[in-house]
Amino acid sequence: NAGVTQTPKFRILKIGQSMTLQCTQDMNHNYMYWYRQDPGMGLKLIYYSVGAGITDKGEVPNGYNVSRSTTEDFPLRLELAAPSQTSVYFCASSYDSVDNYEQYFGPGTRLTVT
Amino acid sequence: LAKTTQPISMDSYEGQEVNITCSHNNIATNDYITWYQQFPSQGPRFIIQGYKTKVTNEVASLFIPADRKSSTLSLPRVSLSDTAVYYCLVGDNDYKLSFGAGTTVTVRA
Repeated sequence: NAGVTQTPKFRILKIGQSMTLQCTQDMNHNYMYWYRQDPGMGLKLIYYSVGAGITDKGEVPNGYNVSRSTTEDFPLRLELAAPSQTSVYFCASSYDSVDNYEQYFGPGTRLTVT
Repeated sequence: LAKTTQPISMDSYEGQEVNITCSHNNIATNDYITWYQQFPSQGPRFIIQGYKTKVTNEVASLFIPADRKSSTLSLPRVSLSDTAVYYCLVGDNDYKLSFGAGTTVTVRA
């Protein structure tokens, strides 16, 4: 299994540009998540999904959009990029067991907005 | 979500046991305690989770007292490769986990 994969690894955007961060998992997990991590800080939840066609906002959703058309893919869309969105973005997935808190993380996408 | 408090940093030497205590005074009845490890430039990795008493796996042990207002992650005989940030999380479902700043553990030779 490849686990959780993310593309691209690095990206530089100009202010106002848009892009999509890709996330794919091959573990047949229903739950998927997007986090951002600013330097020296913990992770903040942007959006999550509990299954195909179902998404919901996390702690910091403004400036982002997601979709979940398949179990495997959970892309994150940035519209009108701003410097405040400079961060490392992590995608994660997990089983949908009530008592299981193990999330599997991808390698991250480092995004710089200038 | 219950707020957690853990030390910002800890130093240790190879071969020693490292104990990181996390305070979660407002933990709710249904909340589980989960610990993650993160190396630089990588995503976090699940270490262990527990509800009460003691949980042990091949990587670490988790000690939870009866009042559950704190928990201690124990890393036995650390090596240089255990240098990382360790996060304590408390929640009642996995998609509401909140990562704080964590504890930076530095292991020296």
